[in-house]
Amino acid sequence: DAGVIQSPRHEVTEMGQEVTLRCKPISGHNSLFWYRQTMMRGLELLIYFNNNVPIDDSGMPEDRFSAKMPNASFSTLKIQPSEPRDSAVYFCASSLVGRLQETQYFGPGTRLLVL
Amino acid sequence: KNEVEQSPQNLTAQEGEFITINCSYSVGISALHWLQQHPGGGIVSLFMLSSGKKKHGRLIATINIQEKHSSLHITASHPRDSAVYICAVRVTSGSRLTFGEGTQLTVNP
Repeated sequence: DAGVIQSPRHEVTEMGQEVTLRCKPISGHNSLFWYRQTMMRGLELLIYFNNNVPIDDSGMPEDRFSAKMPNASFSTLKIQPSEPRDSAVYFCASSLVGRLQETQYFGPGTRLLVL
Repeated sequence: KNEVEQSPQNLTAQEGEFITINCSYSVGISALHWLQQHPGGGIVSLFMLSSGKKKHGRLIATINIQEKHSSLHITASHPRDSAVYICAVRVTSGSRLTFGEGTQLTVNP
């Protein structure tokens, strides 16, 4: 299995631009998580989906952030408009909920820099 | 006060030393994870615990549910163990994880 795939790996953009981050979870997993990591705040959960349905989006910073999961093999996190304070590493993770060993498998992350 | 606290924040050791990293939490949990983040940024899940102890190679993780405390031990540490170790708890009511701030471990040869 290729593991969790994220794209792009790096993104540099100017403030005000729309940014779309993509994630392909591990095949067969039914939960998907979007995290953000910054020096100031560490790792934070933004949103997670179970069976393609958003379950908890309380970590989404504001309305500029939106996430979708149109099917079991793809999710997007969109920031529109982007701001410099959005600069961070964004991780996607997936897991198979319901099993005893509910390990979350992380993607390599997308490093976002908003100028 | 953070729901998950780790200690120490930074740890420097000599190769071969026994290392302990601690994690305390203040919420009800259904599981606790130990994660390793390499200098390149990649995150690897080391253990998921709900009780007792687990061992994988030179790594041992323990959890005491009553005391709301977990420890990660590394025996015979090696420079390649240098990384940030992150404790994360899954709150009882759902699948979301709450993270500690991480422990930066440096093992010198």
